Parts: sequence; structure tokens; C-alpha cells
Amino acid sequence: QSVLTQPPSASGTPGQRVTISCSGSSSNIGSNPVNWYQQLPGTAPKLLIYSNNQRPSGVTDRFSGSKSGTSASLAISGLQSEDETDYYCAAWDDSLNGRVFGGGTKLTVL
Amino acid sequence: QVQLQQWGAGLLKPSETLSLTCAVYGGSFSVYYWSWIRQPPGKGLEWIGEINHSGSTNYNPSLKSRVTISVDTSKNQFSLKMRSVTAADTAVYSCARINMITFGGVIDYWGQGTLVTVSS
Repeated sequence: QSVLTQPPSASGTPGQRVTISCSGSSSNIGSNPVNWYQQLPGTAPKLLIYSNNQRPSGVTDRFSGSKSGTSASLAISGLQSEDETDYYCAAWDDSLNGRVFGGGTKLTVL
Repeated sequence: QVQLQQWGAGLLKPSETLSLTCAVYGGSFSVYYWSWIRQPPGKGLEWIGEINHSGSTNYNPSLKSRVTISVDTSKNQFSLKMRSVTAADTAVYSCARINMITFGGVIDYWGQGTLVTVSS
């Protein structure tokens, strides 16, 4: 199982706001920044959010990130059909001295 | 324009050694860390390890005993070797660039991925 815990699935209707959670521990999320990736089918993941809440150039402001303690969240507002795909959280883990990922959340737009 | 282009054998038998190489085009090779990440079919992402231009490495503890990542700065390439593969190592293996814009870094460029299947 993954070091970071994400719900396996999430869903919402077009226009709705959806959040995806990512739970960790003091050695990863609790002490290091969280990054979020979006992976469309058959493609490499794309950086969506870095350093908890920063958007890379070109990423729409419909995506936002937050962190509190040992948990982080990705919020998607104004849900669109094109948002239906997989999302992963990631962070550095001081105990493992390595990079850890969440198991991924499959977002469905109903 | 940064591009990562990877190659290596896609079909292995159990106990063989997986070998992949990633060439980096564009950008400064010495500024970043270079990583290997895998994704079993239908499953999530797993970090294998990473290296910098001077050869300093970090490995996933669960794979460390079987993995070696090396770098060839003269060619702007880095490589992955994983020994004694089993069916559980079947996955898409991707090389990636780690950009240290934040502590721990972010993955901002990926290779095209190579499906490695381990089967007798």
C-alpha cells in the first residue's frame, strides 16, 4: 500500500466543487511540501500543484491546493468533463529519505 | 524545450536484469536530479530512485538491494538497472526530471515510458 493515503475514487457533477484528500505522517506531509499530479489515460503525469498551493504556469486557477498538519487537499472548482481522470499526491519522506506517492484518486464527472 | 527519451528491453524473463537508459535534451543537466518511477498496470506511481550529475543517489528502500542508477554526464544520460526481476516488477517505467523549486523537488518533465513485462 502507498505511504500517502488517498480515496480511490471521487465524483461530482459539472460546475460543482470537488476535493480530494491526501493523508500522511509527520515524516512526509507534516514536514515537507505536497505536490499534486494529474494523469490522463495513457500519458505521463502532469504537475498540477507544487509546494502545497502553488500552480505552475499554464494550470488553470480552478485547481487549488492546501495543507494542514499531516493532510493535504486538492480542490477542483467548476468541474468539467475533461477533469475526469486520475490524481496523485506526492511528498518527500524524511524517514524513508525518498519520494512517496498517494495511491491515486480516480475522479468521475457524473 | 526539454525532452527525455528513454529506451531499453520491454520483455524479460524472471531473474533477468532490467536495463533502461534515458537521454536528456535541452536544459542544464547538472542543475537537476534525475529519477526513475514505475507504474504497474492499473495501479499507482512508485518512486524507484534518483541521481544527480555528480552521481549522488537515493533509492526506494524496498528496491534498494536490486537497483542501481548511474549517470553519464558526457552524454546527458542516466540509466536504471534492476536485478532479479519477477512478475511483480511488470510496470511502465518512466524517467523524469526533478526540479528543486521547492524542498524535496517536483517532477516537471517525464520520459515517454517503457512497458516492461516480466514473463516466463
